Amino acid sequence: GAGVSQTPSNKVTEKGKYVELRCDPISGHTALYWYRQSLGQGPEFLIYFQGTGAADDSGLPNDRFFAVRPEGSVSTLKIQRTERGDSAVYLCASSLTVGTGELFFGEGSRLTVL
Amino acid sequence: RKEVEQDPGPFNVPEGATVAFNCTYSNSASQSFFWYRQDCRKEPKLLMSVYSSGNEDGRFTAQLNRASQYISLLIRDSKLSDSATYLCVVNDQAGTALIFGKGTTLSVSS
Repeated sequence: GAGVSQTPSNKVTEKGKYVELRCDPISGHTALYWYRQSLGQGPEFLIYFQGTGAADDSGLPNDRFFAVRPEGSVSTLKIQRTERGDSAVYLCASSLTVGTGELFFGEGSRLTVL
Repeated sequence: RKEVEQDPGPFNVPEGATVAFNCTYSNSASQSFFWYRQDCRKEPKLLMSVYSSGNEDGRFTAQLNRASQYISLLIRDSKLSDSATYLCVVNDQAGTALIFGKGTTLSVSS
Protein backbone atom coordinates (compact mmCIF):
# COMPACT_ATOMS: atom_id res chain seq x y z
CA GLY A 1 0.00 0.00 0.00
CA ALA A 2 0.97 3.62 -0.40
CA GLY A 3 0.21 4.72 3.14
CA VAL A 4 2.09 4.52 6.44
CA SER A 5 2.13 0.98 7.71
CA GLN A 6 2.40 0.07 11.38
CA THR A 7 2.84 -3.34 12.96
CA PRO A 8 1.58 -4.90 15.07
CA SER A 9 -1.87 -3.35 15.04
CA ASN A 10 -2.49 -4.75 18.51
CA LYS A 11 -0.05 -5.86 21.16
CA VAL A 12 -0.92 -7.22 24.59
CA THR A 13 1.99 -7.71 26.95
CA GLU A 14 2.71 -8.13 30.62
CA LYS A 15 4.18 -5.52 32.88
CA GLY A 16 7.96 -5.60 32.74
CA LYS A 17 8.23 -7.01 29.23
CA TYR A 18 10.04 -5.48 26.24
CA VAL A 19 8.06 -4.31 23.21
CA GLU A 20 8.97 -3.20 19.68
CA LEU A 21 6.61 -1.31 17.42
CA ARG A 22 7.43 -0.89 13.76
CA CYS A 23 6.62 1.87 11.30
CA ASP A 24 7.06 1.84 7.54
CA PRO A 25 6.58 5.39 6.21
CA ILE A 26 5.41 6.54 2.82
CA SER A 27 8.19 6.04 0.29
CA GLY A 28 10.23 9.19 -0.19
CA HIS A 29 9.11 10.85 3.04
CA THR A 30 12.20 12.00 4.91
CA ALA A 31 10.50 13.01 8.16
CA LEU A 32 9.06 10.41 10.51
CA TYR A 33 7.23 11.07 13.76
CA TRP A 34 6.08 8.99 16.69
CA TYR A 35 3.12 10.06 18.80
CA ARG A 36 1.08 8.24 21.40
CA GLN A 37 -2.58 8.75 22.11
CA SER A 38 -4.49 7.78 25.21
CA LEU A 39 -8.28 7.61 25.36
CA GLY A 40 -9.84 11.06 25.29
CA GLN A 41 -6.54 12.79 24.61
CA GLY A 42 -4.91 14.22 21.53
CA PRO A 43 -1.75 12.68 20.06
CA GLU A 44 1.24 13.36 22.32
CA PHE A 45 4.55 13.98 20.55
CA LEU A 46 7.34 11.54 21.37
CA ILE A 47 10.15 11.83 18.81
CA TYR A 48 10.79 12.71 15.21
CA PHE A 49 13.46 11.79 12.69
CA GLN A 50 14.84 13.69 9.75
CA GLY A 51 16.55 10.98 7.76
CA THR A 52 18.37 8.59 10.06
CA GLY A 53 18.92 10.92 12.98
CA ALA A 54 16.57 11.72 15.82
CA ALA A 55 16.13 15.46 15.39
CA ASP A 56 13.98 15.91 18.48
CA ASP A 57 13.41 13.28 21.15
CA SER A 58 12.19 15.68 23.80
CA GLY A 59 8.81 13.99 24.02
CA LEU A 60 10.09 10.60 25.09
CA PRO A 61 8.74 10.21 28.64
CA ASN A 62 11.78 8.46 30.13
CA ASP A 63 14.78 6.31 29.26
CA ARG A 64 12.66 3.19 28.87
CA PHE A 65 11.61 4.55 25.49
CA PHE A 66 13.95 4.53 22.51
CA ALA A 67 13.48 4.76 18.76
CA VAL A 68 15.70 4.10 15.77
CA ARG A 69 15.59 4.65 12.05
CA PRO A 70 18.87 3.12 10.87
CA GLU A 71 18.42 3.43 7.11
CA GLY A 72 16.23 6.50 7.00
CA SER A 73 13.07 4.60 6.18
CA VAL A 74 11.57 2.05 8.60
CA SER A 75 11.56 3.05 12.25
CA THR A 76 11.20 0.98 15.40
CA LEU A 77 9.95 2.30 18.73
CA LYS A 78 11.30 0.24 21.60
CA ILE A 79 9.85 0.20 25.10
CA GLN A 80 11.71 -1.55 27.90
CA ARG A 81 10.24 -2.78 31.20
CA THR A 82 6.72 -1.84 30.14
CA GLU A 83 4.36 -0.37 32.71
CA ARG A 84 0.56 -0.26 32.76
CA GLY A 85 0.72 3.47 32.12
CA ASP A 86 2.37 2.79 28.76
CA SER A 87 -0.93 1.43 27.45
CA ALA A 88 -2.00 3.65 24.56
CA VAL A 89 -2.21 3.79 20.77
CA TYR A 90 1.21 4.52 19.31
CA LEU A 91 0.87 6.50 16.10
CA CYS A 92 3.52 6.88 13.47
CA ALA A 93 3.37 9.62 10.85
CA SER A 94 5.54 10.69 7.97
CA SER A 95 5.83 13.82 5.89
CA LEU A 96 7.69 14.76 2.75
CA THR A 97 9.95 17.12 4.66
CA VAL A 98 10.16 18.49 8.17
CA GLY A 99 8.01 21.49 8.86
CA THR A 100 5.17 20.74 6.48
CA GLY A 101 1.81 20.63 8.17
CA GLU A 102 0.52 17.54 6.52
CA LEU A 103 1.44 14.48 8.47
CA PHE A 104 0.25 11.17 7.11
CA PHE A 105 -0.55 8.86 9.97
CA GLY A 106 -0.62 5.10 10.13
CA GLU A 107 -3.52 3.33 11.79
CA GLY A 108 -1.52 2.95 14.97
CA SER A 109 -0.34 0.15 17.21
CA ARG A 110 -2.59 -0.38 20.21
CA LEU A 111 -0.46 -1.42 23.17
CA THR A 112 -2.05 -2.93 26.26
CA VAL A 113 0.14 -3.65 29.26
CA LEU A 114 -1.49 -5.98 31.77
CA ARG B 1 3.39 21.01 28.20
CA LYS B 2 -0.12 22.44 27.77
CA GLU B 3 0.63 24.30 24.57
CA VAL B 4 -2.71 23.87 22.86
CA GLU B 5 -6.03 24.07 24.69
CA GLN B 6 -9.42 23.11 23.33
CA ASP B 7 -12.88 22.69 24.77
CA PRO B 8 -13.38 18.91 24.61
CA GLY B 9 -17.15 19.17 24.11
CA PRO B 10 -19.03 17.17 23.08
CA PHE B 11 -20.90 19.49 20.79
CA ASN B 12 -24.24 17.92 19.86
CA VAL B 13 -25.92 19.70 16.95
CA PRO B 14 -28.68 18.92 14.46
CA GLU B 15 -28.03 18.58 10.76
CA GLY B 16 -27.80 21.95 9.07
CA ALA B 17 -26.54 23.76 12.14
CA THR B 18 -23.53 26.03 12.24
CA VAL B 19 -20.96 25.18 14.89
CA ALA B 20 -17.71 26.83 15.92
CA PHE B 21 -14.72 25.42 17.77
CA ASN B 22 -12.04 27.45 19.46
CA CYS B 23 -8.47 26.77 20.39
CA THR B 24 -5.78 28.74 22.21
CA TYR B 25 -2.04 28.20 22.05
CA SER B 26 0.65 29.28 24.49
CA ASN B 27 3.73 29.80 22.34
CA SER B 28 3.63 33.23 20.75
CA ALA B 29 6.44 32.19 18.40
CA SER B 30 4.33 29.48 16.76
CA GLN B 31 4.21 29.88 13.03
CA SER B 32 2.01 27.17 11.60
CA PHE B 33 -1.52 26.19 12.49
CA PHE B 34 -3.80 23.41 11.35
CA TRP B 35 -7.04 21.59 11.99
CA TYR B 36 -6.98 17.81 11.82
CA ARG B 37 -9.99 15.53 11.90
CA GLN B 38 -10.04 12.17 13.68
CA ASP B 39 -12.87 9.69 13.27
CA CYS B 40 -13.56 7.23 16.07
CA ARG B 41 -10.76 4.64 16.34
CA LYS B 42 -9.08 6.01 13.22
CA GLU B 43 -5.92 8.00 12.61
CA PRO B 44 -5.91 11.83 12.42
CA LYS B 45 -6.07 13.39 8.97
CA LEU B 46 -5.37 16.94 7.88
CA LEU B 47 -8.57 18.93 7.45
CA MET B 48 -7.11 22.32 6.61
CA SER B 49 -4.26 24.69 7.28
CA VAL B 50 -5.00 28.00 9.02
CA TYR B 51 -3.61 31.14 7.45
CA SER B 52 -3.24 34.58 8.98
CA SER B 53 -5.81 36.06 6.63
CA GLY B 54 -8.32 33.32 7.36
CA ASN B 55 -9.28 30.69 4.84
CA GLU B 56 -12.28 28.79 3.67
CA ASP B 57 -12.74 25.33 2.21
CA GLY B 58 -16.34 24.68 1.26
CA ARG B 59 -18.40 24.63 4.46
CA PHE B 60 -15.31 25.01 6.65
CA THR B 61 -13.75 28.34 7.64
CA ALA B 62 -10.61 28.71 9.72
CA GLN B 63 -9.50 31.90 11.43
CA LEU B 64 -6.31 32.89 13.24
CA ASN B 65 -5.89 35.70 15.73
CA ARG B 66 -2.18 36.02 16.51
CA ALA B 67 -2.63 38.81 19.05
CA SER B 68 -4.94 36.66 21.16
CA GLN B 69 -3.19 33.39 20.21
CA TYR B 70 -6.52 31.98 19.20
CA ILE B 71 -7.64 29.73 16.34
CA SER B 72 -11.17 28.91 15.31
CA LEU B 73 -12.96 26.50 13.01
CA LEU B 74 -16.47 27.20 11.75
CA ILE B 75 -18.56 24.49 10.14
CA ARG B 76 -21.67 25.59 8.28
CA ASP B 77 -24.62 23.39 7.28
CA SER B 78 -23.41 20.46 9.40
CA LYS B 79 -23.71 16.97 7.93
CA LEU B 80 -23.98 13.65 9.73
CA SER B 81 -20.59 12.81 8.23
CA ASP B 82 -19.01 15.75 10.05
CA SER B 83 -19.30 13.80 13.32
CA ALA B 84 -15.72 13.37 14.49
CA THR B 85 -13.09 14.81 16.79
CA TYR B 86 -11.44 18.00 15.57
CA LEU B 87 -7.85 18.51 16.65
CA CYS B 88 -6.21 21.92 16.81
CA VAL B 89 -2.54 21.64 15.85
CA VAL B 90 0.35 24.07 16.23
CA ASN B 91 4.02 23.79 15.40
CA ASP B 92 6.25 23.86 18.47
CA GLN B 93 9.06 26.19 19.32
CA ALA B 94 11.47 24.50 16.94
CA GLY B 95 9.03 24.87 14.10
CA THR B 96 9.15 21.19 13.43
CA ALA B 97 7.14 18.78 15.55
CA LEU B 98 3.42 19.46 15.56
CA ILE B 99 1.67 19.75 18.91
CA PHE B 100 -1.90 18.54 19.09
CA GLY B 101 -4.70 19.70 21.34
CA LYS B 102 -6.95 17.18 23.06
CA GLY B 103 -9.59 17.62 20.42
CA THR B 104 -13.21 18.73 20.35
CA THR B 105 -15.85 16.11 19.72
CA LEU B 106 -18.71 16.92 17.37
CA SER B 107 -21.83 14.82 17.04
CA VAL B 108 -24.30 15.75 14.30
CA SER B 109 -27.73 14.16 14.53
CA SER B 110 -30.67 13.93 12.14
